[in-house]
Amino acid sequence: DIQMTQSPSSLSASVGDRVTITCRASQSISSYLSWYQQKPGKAPKLLIYAASSLQSGVPSRFSGSGSGTDFTLTISSLQPEDFATYYCQQSFTTPRTFGGGTKVEIK
Amino acid sequence: QVQLQESGPGLVKPSETLSLTCTVSGVSIITYYWTWIRQPPGKGLEWIGYIYSSGSTNYNPSLKSRVTMSVDTSKNQFSLKLSSVTAADTAVYYCASPVGGAFGSWGQGTLVTVSS
Repeated sequence: DIQMTQSPSSLSASVGDRVTITCRASQSISSYLSWYQQKPGKAPKLLIYAASSLQSGVPSRFSGSGSGTDFTLTISSLQPEDFATYYCQQSFTTPRTFGGGTKVEIK
Repeated sequence: QVQLQESGPGLVKPSETLSLTCTVSGVSIITYYWTWIRQPPGKGLEWIGYIYSSGSTNYNPSLKSRVTMSVDTSKNQFSLKLSSVTAADTAVYYCASPVGGAFGSWGQGTLVTVSS
């Protein structure tokens, strides 16, 4: 199985901050990487697919980059509604696997 | 727009079989393929497997011996069965619709607790 490692596991930030979350795959996955946002008690929401493509309806302050084994999710200016847990997921091969999550909390 | 809704018992006894159904609306189930994902309380996400409208499946090897997925095109539903459950199978179970490799649409999730 491809292991997905996210860092940090949690972070504290203020509204307006630029936030960067990283995801590393245990082997190359080309650009087969998605990012999700999950709020408590809710299903995950797709933000980014194919490493850098913004899902329809997702604010442009979210962006993704990377290929191969190293990927980044950036929130350019953190908004109050962005406090949540973020997951990466590879779709290069089955079984599909997710990162352990990054919880973004209010500073 | 694809909408999904999970249904099934919220409590299952150890060693018994967990059974869930996902009802799809907004699109014919034969249009796409479908997936189940679970999340233990306070933990991360685990992919359980895919089912195609033809009935072909692809399961996570970690669960393969206990998982069965099926599809009912007449009802626009697909289902999950997980046998010989233990407390470790307690989780919120989601059905979802993959788009490419990403999971674009999700059900709201249903908590299944394994307890006697």
